Amino acid sequence: EAGVAQSPRYKIIEKRQSVAFWCNPISGHATLYWYQQILGQGPKLLIQFQNNGVVDDSQLPKDRFSAERLKGVDSTLKIQPAKLEDSAVYLCASSLGSTGTEAFFGQGTRLTVV
Amino acid sequence: GDSVTQMEGPVTLSEEAFLTINCTYTATGYPSLFWYVQYPGEGLQLLLKATKADDKGSNKGFEATYRKETTSFHLEKGSVQVSDSAVYFCALRTNSGYSTLTFGKGTMLLVSP
Repeated sequence: EAGVAQSPRYKIIEKRQSVAFWCNPISGHATLYWYQQILGQGPKLLIQFQNNGVVDDSQLPKDRFSAERLKGVDSTLKIQPAKLEDSAVYLCASSLGSTGTEAFFGQGTRLTVV
Repeated sequence: GDSVTQMEGPVTLSEEAFLTINCTYTATGYPSLFWYVQYPGEGLQLLLKATKADDKGSNKGFEATYRKETTSFHLEKGSVQVSDSAVYFCALRTNSGYSTLTFGKGTMLLVSP
């Protein structure tokens, strides 16, 4: 079974530029998550989709971050404009259901904002 | 809201030593509990899980028991190896609604030969 795919693996941008990350979840997984992991900290949920609907985006900085899930499958996360404090690893994960089941993670995209 | 508290690291051990990483949680209802491991430069991998009280999750020599009375899910291994060096995350997910997977801050384990 193919895992969660993310791209790119690494990205370096200047502050105030924009950037986009892409995620392809495991086939058939209804729930998709985007997490932000700052160095030395645990992952923090940015947004959670159930199929193509948003069920939790309470910690997403909506003035600069946006995300969509196309046709309930692939997802993109965008940052515009980026700030220095956005430097982190952005993790995408998916799970079969919305309760109790484990999530499977991609390898992440390491973003450096200079 | 839901939260997970882990012991701070790094935990430094010699090979073949006994490992315990403490994890306690606060949650509404009865969550499922997980341990994830992150090796250097890699994403998170599920290590083990438990879905109800008194369940024991186990994998690769690691074990953790879901203790409802103490709201804990401590990770243990009888004899660690150098290859176990990684960051370990405790996490929970409630079993109602569109539940979020909530993580602790992680505990780094360093095992020396």
